[in-house]
Amino acid sequence: GNSVTQMEGPVTLSEEAFLTINCTYTATGYPSLFWYVQYPGEGLQLLLKATKADDKGSNKGFEATYRKETTSFHLEKGSVQVSDSAVYFCALTAYSGAGSYQLTFGKGTKLSVIP
Amino acid sequence: DTAVSQTPKYLVTQMGNDKSIKCEQNLGHDTMYWYKQDSKKFLKIMFSYNNKELIINETVPNRFSPKSPDKAHLNLHINSLELGDSAVYFCASSQPFTSMRVNSTQYFGPGTRLTVL
Repeated sequence: GNSVTQMEGPVTLSEEAFLTINCTYTATGYPSLFWYVQYPGEGLQLLLKATKADDKGSNKGFEATYRKETTSFHLEKGSVQVSDSAVYFCALTAYSGAGSYQLTFGKGTKLSVIP
Repeated sequence: DTAVSQTPKYLVTQMGNDKSIKCEQNLGHDTMYWYKQDSKKFLKIMFSYNNKELIINETVPNRFSPKSPDKAHLNLHINSLELGDSAVYFCASSQPFTSMRVNSTQYFGPGTRLTVL
């Protein structure tokens, strides 16, 4: 079946530090890849996505590149801010059998940025 | 304009009670979902409705019953509440995932924090 594995948190960084959250996947066929972010007390929202190999998704200073050879979609940001403190979810959509496609989430990584 | 809305935001109740959570989306999406998020932030899909037909039920106890009066609404009714039902419940919507639309974005509501005492 399809699955997403992301690094376990929590991750604590100082402001302006470099961020990497690792994400690897297993999927049938050619998945689309996503990062969703959940700010405290809110629902999830799409941060960025990529649909084919070597595509780079980017938004709000965050980037992730679809690496088919390593089945990875690591999230990076060059300089984090306190306002980036949130839970980050890696996800994919892929064929799940019986003619259907399904969105599969990783377990989430909590990021805390301290001033 | 709120894309996906849920009510109530907080729900505190006693074990054994029956409660409902309402969800509405104004995005014109064909598919709606219910997720349960535990205290460790792990997200588990409970139900998915596509054009008012149930297409996923991930081994959820039958005390949980989704009701979709129309394409824009998916309510969650819970019978005989148990302590383990305490969690945050999220409604979401999207266009259906298909071979031509694998990159659809899911839009989430703000969540309903359910506490069972």
